[in-house]
Amino acid sequence: AQKVTQAQTEISVVEKEDVTLDCVYETRDTTYYLFWYKQPPSGELVFLIRRNSFDEQNEISGRYSWNFQKSTSSFNFTITASQVVDSAVYFCALSGLWQGGKLIFGQGTELSVKP
Amino acid sequence: DTGVSQNPRHKITKRGQNVTFRCDPISEHNRLYWYRQTLGQGPEFLTYFQNEAQLEKSRLLSDRFSAERPKGSFSTLEIQRTEQGDSAMYLCASLEFPYNEQFFGPGTRLTVL
Repeated sequence: AQKVTQAQTEISVVEKEDVTLDCVYETRDTTYYLFWYKQPPSGELVFLIRRNSFDEQNEISGRYSWNFQKSTSSFNFTITASQVVDSAVYFCALSGLWQGGKLIFGQGTELSVKP
Repeated sequence: DTGVSQNPRHKITKRGQNVTFRCDPISEHNRLYWYRQTLGQGPEFLTYFQNEAQLEKSRLLSDRFSAERPKGSFSTLEIQRTEQGDSAMYLCASLEFPYNEQFFGPGTRLTVL
């Protein structure tokens, strides 16, 4: 079975702090994809990143960075110098190669960035 | 084409009534997915289409739920005899297979009284 766990339900930080959102996954598939989505208060899920299971290279995009470690089945997301506009619920998701593209989501982490 | 659209955005209905939601995917996307999201939870997969063919249905999709994508473009999700437990946000997403970034619509929030 596939499962995604985001142990942090809520995180609160002060603007300009760095924050890391944890994601741990379980899958029996040898090829799979990992995703992060952002859900602001408006409700629409916004795609942030996709990672293939065979590519463990970490990625940086502006203030965002992602650390994929297959050995610990983790795909953590770090926001550097957080801003109030980063306040949202963040979801980690998993899709196996042979699962038709359907996403298995974690429970989400609600990030609150205070000025 | 600016993205996935869903209508209506909000629906309030009485228990026992039927409701239908519509999703218009990004035009060149051949796959369309439906998810349900309850408060404080991540979205849960319901069903998906490749063009007009419905390829998988979750066991969450009881026989009161039916989805169609008649011409491989827009899709409808119908819930018959709604129950209070059906209250949720219903999300639609599309992607261009074989790429697998799904793009989501704004959702339809259903409230069953």
